Amino acid sequence: QITLKESGPTLVKPTQTLTLTCSFSGFSLSTSGVGVGWIRQPPGKALEWLALIYWDDDKRYSPSLKTRLTITKDTSKNQVVLTMTNMDPVDTGTYYCAQYFGTSGYHDYWGQGTLVTVSS
Amino acid sequence: QSVLTQPPSVSGAPGQRVTISCTGSNSNIGAGYDVHWYQQLPGTAPKLLIYDNVNRPSGVPDRFSGSKSGTSASLAITGLQAEDEADYYCQSYDSSLSVVFGGGTKLTVL
Repeated sequence: QITLKESGPTLVKPTQTLTLTCSFSGFSLSTSGVGVGWIRQPPGKALEWLALIYWDDDKRYSPSLKTRLTITKDTSKNQVVLTMTNMDPVDTGTYYCAQYFGTSGYHDYWGQGTLVTVSS
Repeated sequence: QSVLTQPPSVSGAPGQRVTISCTGSNSNIGAGYDVHWYQQLPGTAPKLLIYDNVNRPSGVPDRFSGSKSGTSASLAITGLQAEDEADYYCQSYDSSLSVVFGGGTKLTVL
Protein backbone atom coordinates (compact mmCIF):
# COMPACT_ATOMS: atom_id res chain seq x y z
CA GLN A 1 0.00 0.00 0.00
CA ILE A 2 1.49 3.32 -1.10
CA THR A 3 1.01 6.31 1.18
CA LEU A 4 2.46 9.81 1.29
CA LYS A 5 2.11 12.46 3.95
CA GLU A 6 3.18 16.08 3.98
CA SER A 7 4.43 17.83 7.08
CA GLY A 8 5.67 21.29 7.91
CA PRO A 9 4.59 24.64 9.33
CA THR A 10 1.01 25.77 8.89
CA LEU A 11 1.94 29.45 9.19
CA VAL A 12 4.97 31.27 7.86
CA LYS A 13 5.78 34.97 7.73
CA PRO A 14 6.47 36.89 4.53
CA THR A 15 10.11 36.65 3.39
CA GLN A 16 10.66 33.48 5.42
CA THR A 17 11.73 30.15 3.95
CA LEU A 18 9.22 27.28 3.89
CA THR A 19 10.46 23.74 4.43
CA LEU A 20 8.07 20.87 3.74
CA THR A 21 8.74 17.18 4.19
CA CYS A 22 7.04 14.36 2.31
CA SER A 23 7.25 11.04 4.14
CA PHE A 24 6.21 8.03 2.10
CA SER A 25 5.88 4.27 2.34
CA GLY A 26 5.08 1.39 0.02
CA PHE A 27 7.68 2.24 -2.61
CA SER A 28 11.36 3.09 -2.89
CA LEU A 29 12.78 6.23 -4.43
CA SER A 30 15.70 4.13 -5.66
CA THR A 31 13.45 2.24 -8.09
CA SER A 32 14.02 3.15 -11.73
CA GLY A 33 11.30 5.35 -13.19
CA VAL A 34 9.97 6.56 -9.86
CA GLY A 35 9.91 10.12 -8.60
CA VAL A 36 8.24 12.33 -6.03
CA GLY A 37 6.83 15.73 -6.85
CA TRP A 38 5.23 18.71 -5.19
CA ILE A 39 2.07 20.45 -6.34
CA ARG A 40 0.24 23.32 -4.68
CA GLN A 41 -3.27 24.74 -4.83
CA PRO A 42 -4.24 28.23 -3.64
CA PRO A 43 -7.68 28.33 -2.02
CA GLY A 44 -10.35 27.99 -4.70
CA LYS A 45 -7.80 27.91 -7.51
CA ALA A 46 -6.14 25.44 -9.84
CA LEU A 47 -3.32 23.00 -9.24
CA GLU A 48 0.18 24.37 -9.83
CA TRP A 49 3.11 22.01 -10.31
CA LEU A 50 6.25 22.96 -8.39
CA ALA A 51 9.05 20.42 -8.49
CA LEU A 52 10.03 16.79 -9.04
CA ILE A 53 12.93 14.59 -8.01
CA TYR A 54 13.65 11.30 -9.76
CA TRP A 55 15.10 8.04 -8.47
CA ASP A 56 18.47 8.96 -9.98
CA ASP A 57 18.47 12.39 -8.23
CA ASP A 58 17.60 14.24 -11.43
CA LYS A 59 15.51 17.29 -10.55
CA ARG A 60 12.92 19.38 -12.36
CA TYR A 61 11.47 22.72 -11.33
CA SER A 62 8.63 24.99 -12.41
CA PRO A 63 10.29 27.58 -14.68
CA SER A 64 8.44 30.42 -12.96
CA LEU A 65 9.53 29.38 -9.46
CA LYS A 66 12.85 27.65 -9.97
CA THR A 67 14.92 30.41 -8.38
CA ARG A 68 13.02 29.92 -5.11
CA LEU A 69 12.76 26.12 -4.97
CA THR A 70 15.05 23.31 -3.89
CA ILE A 71 14.04 19.66 -3.78
CA THR A 72 16.11 16.93 -2.14
CA LYS A 73 15.61 13.30 -1.16
CA ASP A 74 16.75 10.99 1.61
CA THR A 75 16.24 7.53 0.21
CA SER A 76 17.14 5.79 3.46
CA LYS A 77 14.44 7.72 5.33
CA ASN A 78 11.86 7.58 2.52
CA GLN A 79 11.56 11.35 2.57
CA VAL A 80 11.59 14.20 0.09
CA VAL A 81 12.08 17.79 1.23
CA LEU A 82 10.99 20.94 -0.59
CA THR A 83 12.23 24.37 0.39
CA MET A 84 10.74 27.58 -0.95
CA THR A 85 12.44 30.86 -0.18
CA ASN A 86 11.08 34.39 0.17
CA MET A 87 7.51 33.37 0.95
CA ASP A 88 4.70 35.78 0.08
CA PRO A 89 0.98 35.82 0.91
CA VAL A 90 0.25 34.67 -2.67
CA ASP A 91 2.04 31.42 -1.80
CA THR A 92 -0.78 30.54 0.61
CA GLY A 93 -2.40 27.26 -0.30
CA THR A 94 -2.49 23.51 0.11
CA TYR A 95 0.78 21.79 -0.74
CA TYR A 96 0.64 18.19 -1.96
CA CYS A 97 3.38 15.66 -2.52
CA ALA A 98 2.72 12.83 -4.93
CA GLN A 99 4.53 9.84 -6.37
CA TYR A 100 5.50 10.31 -10.00
CA PHE A 101 5.92 7.54 -12.52
CA GLY A 102 7.77 7.71 -15.82
CA THR A 103 10.08 10.17 -17.50
CA SER A 104 7.19 12.31 -18.73
CA GLY A 105 4.56 10.64 -16.68
CA TYR A 106 1.96 11.19 -14.04
CA HIS A 107 1.32 11.49 -10.31
CA ASP A 108 -0.41 8.27 -9.35
CA TYR A 109 -0.50 8.49 -5.56
CA TRP A 110 -1.06 11.70 -3.61
CA GLY A 111 -0.73 12.79 -0.03
CA GLN A 112 -3.63 14.43 1.76
CA GLY A 113 -2.02 17.87 1.46
CA THR A 114 -1.00 20.43 4.04
CA LEU A 115 -2.35 23.97 4.23
CA VAL A 116 0.30 26.66 4.46
CA THR A 117 -0.71 30.22 5.24
CA VAL A 118 1.67 33.11 4.65
CA SER A 119 0.85 36.03 6.90
CA SER A 120 2.56 38.42 9.24
CA GLN B 1 -2.37 31.44 -16.75
CA SER B 2 -2.06 27.67 -17.11
CA VAL B 3 0.01 26.14 -19.91
CA LEU B 4 -2.82 23.77 -20.78
CA THR B 5 -6.24 25.31 -21.47
CA GLN B 6 -9.46 23.80 -20.17
CA PRO B 7 -13.01 25.20 -20.12
CA PRO B 8 -13.75 26.63 -16.65
CA SER B 9 -17.00 24.69 -16.37
CA VAL B 10 -19.19 22.07 -18.00
CA SER B 11 -22.51 20.64 -16.95
CA GLY B 12 -24.86 17.83 -17.78
CA ALA B 13 -27.91 16.00 -16.53
CA PRO B 14 -27.71 12.56 -14.95
CA GLY B 15 -27.22 9.89 -17.59
CA GLN B 16 -25.86 12.29 -20.18
CA ARG B 17 -22.41 12.42 -21.76
CA VAL B 18 -20.03 15.31 -21.25
CA THR B 19 -16.57 16.03 -22.59
CA ILE B 20 -13.79 18.20 -21.22
CA SER B 21 -11.14 19.51 -23.57
CA CYS B 22 -7.49 20.19 -22.84
CA THR B 23 -5.57 22.29 -25.36
CA GLY B 24 -1.81 22.58 -25.35
CA SER B 25 0.88 23.43 -27.86
CA ASN B 26 3.70 21.95 -29.89
CA SER B 27 5.95 22.13 -26.83
CA ASN B 28 3.83 19.78 -24.75
CA ILE B 29 0.89 17.71 -26.05
CA GLY B 30 1.82 18.36 -29.67
CA ALA B 31 5.38 17.25 -28.99
CA GLY B 32 4.07 13.77 -28.29
CA TYR B 33 3.96 13.86 -24.50
CA ASP B 34 1.16 11.87 -22.92
CA VAL B 35 -1.86 13.47 -21.27
CA HIS B 36 -3.21 12.42 -17.89
CA TRP B 37 -6.41 13.37 -16.09
CA TYR B 38 -7.24 13.84 -12.41
CA GLN B 39 -10.50 14.12 -10.53
CA GLN B 40 -10.65 16.28 -7.42
CA LEU B 41 -13.72 15.89 -5.24
CA PRO B 42 -14.48 18.82 -2.91
CA GLY B 43 -12.06 19.00 0.00
CA THR B 44 -9.93 16.08 -1.14
CA ALA B 45 -6.62 15.47 -2.90
CA PRO B 46 -6.64 14.88 -6.66
CA LYS B 47 -7.02 11.30 -7.84
CA LEU B 48 -5.53 9.88 -11.03
CA LEU B 49 -8.38 9.15 -13.44
CA ILE B 50 -6.74 8.53 -16.83
CA TYR B 51 -3.06 7.99 -17.59
CA ASP B 52 -1.12 7.80 -20.84
CA ASN B 53 -4.01 9.38 -22.76
CA VAL B 54 -6.43 6.46 -22.64
CA ASN B 55 -5.71 4.13 -19.70
CA ARG B 56 -7.79 3.84 -16.53
CA PRO B 57 -6.20 2.87 -13.20
CA SER B 58 -7.77 -0.05 -11.43
CA GLY B 59 -11.09 0.93 -9.87
CA VAL B 60 -11.95 3.77 -12.25
CA PRO B 61 -15.28 3.06 -13.98
CA ASP B 62 -15.25 2.60 -17.74
CA ARG B 63 -17.68 5.53 -17.95
CA PHE B 64 -14.50 7.62 -18.01
CA SER B 65 -12.42 7.64 -21.18
CA GLY B 66 -9.63 9.72 -22.64
CA SER B 67 -8.36 10.58 -26.09
CA LYS B 68 -5.61 12.66 -27.63
CA SER B 69 -5.11 14.20 -31.05
CA GLY B 70 -2.56 16.74 -32.20
CA THR B 71 -2.14 19.44 -29.57
CA SER B 72 -5.34 18.55 -27.68
CA ALA B 73 -6.86 15.88 -25.51
CA SER B 74 -10.32 15.15 -24.19
CA LEU B 75 -11.93 13.45 -21.23
CA ALA B 76 -15.36 11.95 -21.80
CA ILE B 77 -17.77 10.90 -19.08
CA THR B 78 -20.81 8.87 -20.06
CA GLY B 79 -23.81 7.96 -17.94
CA LEU B 80 -23.23 11.02 -15.77
CA GLN B 81 -23.84 10.47 -12.05
CA ALA B 82 -24.22 12.91 -9.17
CA GLU B 83 -20.98 11.58 -7.66
CA ASP B 84 -19.06 12.75 -10.73
CA GLU B 85 -19.52 16.37 -9.67
CA ALA B 86 -15.92 17.50 -9.13
CA ASP B 87 -13.03 19.46 -10.59
CA TYR B 88 -11.10 17.80 -13.41
CA TYR B 89 -7.51 18.59 -14.39
CA CYS B 90 -5.42 17.55 -17.35
CA GLN B 91 -1.63 17.21 -17.07
CA SER B 92 1.22 16.69 -19.48
CA TYR B 93 4.94 17.33 -19.79
CA ASP B 94 6.58 20.26 -21.48
CA SER B 95 9.77 20.67 -23.50
CA SER B 96 10.86 23.16 -20.82
CA LEU B 97 11.41 19.97 -18.76
CA SER B 98 8.52 20.60 -16.42
CA VAL B 99 5.18 19.04 -15.63
CA VAL B 100 2.23 21.20 -16.67
CA PHE B 101 -1.39 21.23 -15.53
CA GLY B 102 -4.53 22.63 -17.04
CA GLY B 103 -6.53 25.30 -15.27
CA GLY B 104 -9.18 22.83 -14.21
CA THR B 105 -12.81 22.31 -15.18
CA LYS B 106 -15.69 22.27 -12.72
CA LEU B 107 -18.28 19.64 -13.64
CA THR B 108 -21.80 20.32 -12.41
CA VAL B 109 -24.38 17.54 -12.53
CA LEU B 110 -27.74 19.25 -13.01
